[in-house]
Amino acid sequence: KNQVEQSPQSLIILEGKNCTLQCNYTVSPFSNLRWYKQDTGRGPVSLTIMTFSENTKSNGRYTATLDADTKQSSLHITASQLSDSASYICVVGLTGGGNKLTFGTGTQLKVEL
Amino acid sequence: NAGVTQTPKFRVLKTGQSMTLLCAQDMNHEYMYWYRQDPGMGLRLIHYSVGEGTTAKGEVPDGYNVSRLKKQNFLLGLESAAPSQTSVYFCASSYSWTGGYTFGSGTRLTVV
Repeated sequence: KNQVEQSPQSLIILEGKNCTLQCNYTVSPFSNLRWYKQDTGRGPVSLTIMTFSENTKSNGRYTATLDADTKQSSLHITASQLSDSASYICVVGLTGGGNKLTFGTGTQLKVEL
Repeated sequence: NAGVTQTPKFRVLKTGQSMTLLCAQDMNHEYMYWYRQDPGMGLRLIHYSVGEGTTAKGEVPDGYNVSRLKKQNFLLGLESAAPSQTSVYFCASSYSWTGGYTFGSGTRLTVV
């Protein structure tokens, strides 16, 4: 069964600190891995998209890594801000025709003063 | 820069009532999708469309119908609402299968 598991489920950090969110997947055949940020009451917003050949991609203070061999990805947030408080969702896409995205349940991040 | 617009934002239905959710995008995307998001679960695909006049079933299509009469609009209908359809519904669009998705802000639907 294709699955995407994220850890931790929730996380509280102080403003200015760094953090790393984890994503493990069993989805196959792999096409791409995406990270989304979802603010409360809003739709997900794309942060990064990585294909099989990419092992790191950055978007400002967000850096995603991908190890396709171990089927693991991480999202590193540098110098966190209060506005980083959100749910971060890992999504894995399959190859082949048709829409094949498997969504994780997200890591709820809270940044406090 | 509207992106993807969903209407309505909130709705309460009684069991057995019907309704239509509207999704409109102004990015000329070919692909459009309807997802539902429930607590403790990842987003699940209800139906999708690969172009004007086309629709296809996703992971959880039962109880829903869709139409894509115009490229920019994707409608999701609930024929006879059930409490199990209480959820937050998101519309999304993309240029291609592997491209980034742009999501709307969601419709929170409660069926009582």
